[in-house]
Amino acid sequence: AQTVTQSQPEMSVQEAETVTLSCTYDTSENNYYLFWYKQPPSRQMILVIRQEAYKQQNATENRFSVNFQKAAKSFSLKISDSQLGDTAMYFCAFKFYNNDMRFGAGTRLTVKP
Amino acid sequence: NAGVTQTPKFQVLKTGQSMTLQCAQDMNHEYMSWYRQDPGMGLRLIHYSVGAGITDQGEVPNGYNVSRSTTEDFPLRLLSAAPSQTSVYFCASRGGGVGSPLHFGNGTRLTVT
Repeated sequence: AQTVTQSQPEMSVQEAETVTLSCTYDTSENNYYLFWYKQPPSRQMILVIRQEAYKQQNATENRFSVNFQKAAKSFSLKISDSQLGDTAMYFCAFKFYNNDMRFGAGTRLTVKP
Repeated sequence: NAGVTQTPKFQVLKTGQSMTLQCAQDMNHEYMSWYRQDPGMGLRLIHYSVGAGITDQGEVPNGYNVSRSTTEDFPLRLLSAAPSQTSVYFCASRGGGVGSPLHFGNGTRLTVT
């Protein structure tokens, strides 16, 4: 069974600085998809970024980028120029073909002014 | 577009009561699912459906029933509520290919006393 591990329950960063959230996963599959979701205090689940395992190039979305290391089964999220609105829970998720998306336990990020 | 709509937003039940959480999507997505979110455990899949008339169990299905009579609606029924079912429940849908992201509703906070 696929598992997703987020080893940092909580993190904090100063406004305008850069922070990296860690995620590792366990799978024997070769083709899969990885996601980062953001959950602000409003409870809404918002897609941040998506990575296809067969693509070597790391995905980027504005201030958000990933470091995808397929051999190491690592999928970290880097947030550049952190803003107060980035304060949220961040969930890493793994999806294999059988329709089941697996989530990590989450990392609570606080951006300090 | 409304996207994925969940009702109610909050609910308090007594042990043994039954209720139905409603979920509707207007994106013509074939795939729909229910997750529960508990502190320190991320989101766990309860049930999912790949189309009208088809449902299957996820990781934590016990105590919950689902049906999918239309593409738009995917209600979740609690048969006899227990305190262990106190949680935040999310409905989600997905269109497109297997690598498409999930679109989430805004969640229902359920408390069972």
